[in-house]
Amino acid sequence: AQSVTQLGSHVSVSEGALVLLRCNYSSSVPPYLFWYVQYPNQGLQLLLKYTTGATLVKGINGFEAEFKKSETSFHLTKPSAHMSDAAEYFCAVREYYNQGGKLIFGQGTELSVKP
Amino acid sequence: GAVVSQHPSWVICKSGTSVKIECRSLDFQATTMFWYRQFPKQSLMLMATSNEGSKATYEQGVEKDKFLINHASLTLSTLTVTSAHPEDSSFYICSARYSNQPQHFGDGTRLSIL
Repeated sequence: AQSVTQLGSHVSVSEGALVLLRCNYSSSVPPYLFWYVQYPNQGLQLLLKYTTGATLVKGINGFEAEFKKSETSFHLTKPSAHMSDAAEYFCAVREYYNQGGKLIFGQGTELSVKP
Repeated sequence: GAVVSQHPSWVICKSGTSVKIECRSLDFQATTMFWYRQFPKQSLMLMATSNEGSKATYEQGVEKDKFLINHASLTLSTLTVTSAHPEDSSFYICSARYSNQPQHFGDGTRLSIL
């Protein structure tokens, strides 16, 4: 069975500082991995995804993530935090398509950005 | 980008009534739609998966007679919370996907049962 663990339910950084949100996954097959962002009282917006190919994936709003198979990790980073980055972030792994392709979400990490 | 519209965004109703939530894919055909429930400060909990023209597949522990899901067309799925009670109050989110593409999420519905 696949699973996702996000280390740290709450991360706080200063504006302009590096953002690092950690995600580790468990999967017996090559994973499809996703990062989503959720602003208060809204749905989820796709930040970036990894399926195959290049392991460093660039997404929207300056975020990127690197797939490291040896570490079973897919950490999300952004070089310089902005106040508008404050939100809840979810890492997810997708079931194999022929098994339904459901998303398995991590517990979420709330990012706070201090001025 | 792909747009999923969810309506209503907020609903308050009395205990015992039924509430219908709509989820529409506006610019693509949604072969599969998903319904999630989210409690405050928690992750999304998948309730059910529906494929167009088929009965929904419910996750373990989700009452199918309580949460009726209809996916009658490639652009519309509905979730009806029947005989709603205060414990059904929650944030409900739908998502839609075309074939093997990523899921796109609606903006959610805040349901409050008095």
